[in-house]
Amino acid sequence: DTAVSQTPKYLVTQMGNDKSIKCEQNLGHDTMYWYKQDSKKFLKIMFSYNNKELIINETVPNRFSPKSPDKAHLNLHINSLELGDSAVYFCASSPGTGRTEQFFGPGTRLTVL
Amino acid sequence: GNSVTQMEGPVTLSEEAFLTINCTYTATGYPSLFWYVQYPGEGLQLLLKATKADDKGSNKGFEATYRKETTSFHLEKGSVQVSDSAVYFCALLQGGSEKLVFGKGTKLTVNP
Repeated sequence: DTAVSQTPKYLVTQMGNDKSIKCEQNLGHDTMYWYKQDSKKFLKIMFSYNNKELIINETVPNRFSPKSPDKAHLNLHINSLELGDSAVYFCASSPGTGRTEQFFGPGTRLTVL
Repeated sequence: GNSVTQMEGPVTLSEEAFLTINCTYTATGYPSLFWYVQYPGEGLQLLLKATKADDKGSNKGFEATYRKETTSFHLEKGSVQVSDSAVYFCALLQGGSEKLVFGKGTKLTVNP
């Protein structure tokens, strides 16, 4: 069984469009995250939710809006896509105790043309 | 703020060579330390971890020891295989925080 899953795996779209990436975890974890990996492989946290509440919001443009309908899902909606949004986006989850590992999804490669 | 510095890559080795990837960190208190691995086209997988000073994490022949005196968590493997070719990330998690801070990653290529 897949622990953290994301859809779609690949997303190619035009500048200015709005798109969403979905994430689901079946681990029963309380905390979920979105990370962005740029073309140089650098990983940076964007958001974190704990039991559907936003707990981390790094300086991310407000075109990015996470939504957590329940603690097993954390979706990422991006408005007015820009070329610089091209990256691989990873979802992750953890039990949320602050010292434990985070489990990562397979990633969504977003290409903005 | 917290930060992780790991050696610049890429690193290219022959099969059965010894591997060291250096990682040092800056943090207040006692963070947990992790090594994650990203195989080509895949997501990140936890390779090993250590949650307190002098702990040694180990998995799949890889080892790393949490050294508080040198604020380091160097990754080592005695004999690498072609299948170890991947990008390796050192990361820290500050106690009480949910924010995993990554190093920039080190790409390892192992040739037969």
